[in-house]
Amino acid sequence: EDKVVQSPLSLVVHEGDTVTLNCSYEVTNFRSLLWYKQEKKAPTFLFMLTSSGIEKKSGRLSSILDKKELFSILNITATQTGDSAVYLCAVVLSQGNLIFGKGTKLSVKP
Amino acid sequence: GAGVSQTPSNKVTEKGKYVELRCDPISGHTALYWYRQSLGQGPEFLIYFQGTGAADDSGLPNDRFFAVRPEGSVSTLKIQRTERGDSAVYLCASSLFGGATTGELFFGEGSRLTVL
Repeated sequence: EDKVVQSPLSLVVHEGDTVTLNCSYEVTNFRSLLWYKQEKKAPTFLFMLTSSGIEKKSGRLSSILDKKELFSILNITATQTGDSAVYLCAVVLSQGNLIFGKGTKLSVKP
Repeated sequence: GAGVSQTPSNKVTEKGKYVELRCDPISGHTALYWYRQSLGQGPEFLIYFQGTGAADDSGLPNDRFFAVRPEGSVSTLKIQRTERGDSAVYLCASSLFGGATTGELFFGEGSRLTVL
């Protein structure tokens, strides 16, 4: 059975801290991996990763994929209260379907 | 429209009733996805359309659930004989391309279904 596992499930940090969120997967037909941020309702897109070892970066957020070890990490540096959200990892399968993990709930305290 | 639109935003119904949830994707997007999200969980895949046809409906939990996309644009998720366990937020997403070229998905705000 295809599965995506995120850890930790929840995390509380203080402003300015750096956090690393983990996503591991076991799927039969991997195509790519996506990271989303969900604050209230609609998840919003962060990164799409298809190749191992190539870091994607956007401001204080960065992500990298390891297709040999079957995981990805999402890093957030100098966290701010506005980073508080649920971060979702999803694996795109070759047939076009996406499998999501349960998410990591990040709380950034002032 | 500018984004994915879902209606209704909230629906409260009684056990055993029939419910329809509507999704209007971004114009020109060929792929449309339905997900269900319960509190504290990630989105759970239900069905994925490529154009008018269901490319993968393996996530539909049972035959009470059905979805259509007759003209390759708007989609309706239909739930018959609703049960309390169907209560969740139903998310719709669309993408420009689907299948092997699937990229970023654009999500709607969701339809919160509560079955009493």
